[in-house]
Amino acid sequence: DTEVTQTPKHLVMGMTNKKSLKCEQHMGHRAMYWYKQKAKKPPELMFVYSYEKLSINESVPSRFSPECPNSSLLNLHLHALQPEDSALYLCASSQDQARKGDIYEQYFGPGTRLTVT
Amino acid sequence: EDQVTQSPEALRLQEGESSSLNCSYTVSGLRGLFWYRQDPGKGPEFLFTLYSAGEEKEKERLKATLTKKESFLHITAPKPEDSATYLCAVQAVYTGTASKLTFGTGTRLQVTL
Repeated sequence: DTEVTQTPKHLVMGMTNKKSLKCEQHMGHRAMYWYKQKAKKPPELMFVYSYEKLSINESVPSRFSPECPNSSLLNLHLHALQPEDSALYLCASSQDQARKGDIYEQYFGPGTRLTVT
Repeated sequence: EDQVTQSPEALRLQEGESSSLNCSYTVSGLRGLFWYRQDPGKGPEFLFTLYSAGEEKEKERLKATLTKKESFLHITAPKPEDSATYLCAVQAVYTGTASKLTFGTGTRLQVTL
């Protein structure tokens, strides 16, 4: 089973709202990722969690706040977003985070389509 | 800086018309190259991992190959359900806290009847 699930599928929020995106995997993977994807562009890495600790933050604005409650769950808390933050938000997981001498394929969820009004 | 370039940007084929998609890369040291398929509004679906030049992998009508500078995704006798965007991504040699994927911009494939 290589399934990563994400909820909700669609989200519309105002610039003053607070909302959260959720991601779950049951593959026993120890690395989880958040990506942002704009139309006709490749995914852009936002955050990486490894063994439930934040490993990479790609200089993402603080209005995006990630959280990893346990090894199967990953959340992205959203607050005071801007219209330009509208995008497809993708969660991914891999067996481990790539380190020296190894490589792991990432499995993506279906994404959450976020619209900020 | 690692770079990945995919061509063509878009490709329209008739059902049964075989073709190839190209992924050229420039990295400090290649650890692996990935191919993904992405349908509109959905997450990328993992297809292949290639590790070293000369390696080939196949899945149904798809065959991925790798050289020292590029990878090809060959599509044999495509069907309309093969229509999607195909993304290539590379993972470079680990040099810091983690090795990240560098994605190409993708090839949008449309297969018509």
